[in-house]
Amino acid sequence: GENVEQHPSTLSVQEGDSAVIKCTYSDSASNYFPWYKQELGKRPQLIIDIRSNVGEKKDQRIAVTLNKTAKHFSLHITETQPEDSAVYFCAASKNNAGNMLTFGGGTRLMVKP
Amino acid sequence: DAGVIQSPRHEVTEMGQEVTLRCKPISGHDYLFWYRQTMMRGLELLIYFNNNVPIDDSGMPEDRFSAKMPNASFSNLKIQPSEPRDSAVYFCASSLGGPSTSNEQFFGPGTRLTVL
Repeated sequence: GENVEQHPSTLSVQEGDSAVIKCTYSDSASNYFPWYKQELGKRPQLIIDIRSNVGEKKDQRIAVTLNKTAKHFSLHITETQPEDSAVYFCAASKNNAGNMLTFGGGTRLMVKP
Repeated sequence: DAGVIQSPRHEVTEMGQEVTLRCKPISGHDYLFWYRQTMMRGLELLIYFNNNVPIDDSGMPEDRFSAKMPNASFSNLKIQPSEPRDSAVYFCASSLGGPSTSNEQFFGPGTRLTVL
């Protein structure tokens, strides 16, 4: 089955700096890669996703890149703000497995004001 | 739509008792997922349903855990008997089906289970 590794497990940055979180996946058939944000005590919520026919996607201060050959994808947050502090999860999925997601272990991002 | 609804939000029980967690997915969603979240093991998929049929239950930890989806509007997860190591936050999530739709999973607020 699919295995998703996520690094780092914790990340501390100064407000205004950029943050990068990286994930690798094992199944070359995976074709959908979402990122979820979970604030303390809240539910995970989708913030951005990318499909395997696209190499990069941006939405304001967040962007995701995908390297299918290397089987890794990354989340980039620019101009970080204290409200970006949360746990971020990457995940991988493939259409022939329905909508089942395999999640990475999570990254706790702390943005210091 | 109110989103995915879970009940109860908090459950405290004693070891050996039966626990039932409930979930109402977003209307029209074809898929329903049950996850368990702990500090040690992160977010684990326990089981998921497609059109009320269980598709993959390989994540269910042991026979003490069972899940059903009697109709499109309701699912429950039962633990019998419960053990302290079952203490976790249990999330239910739902999504639309089909390759042309978004795979986004919408999570419920979770049930925080504490087994004493």
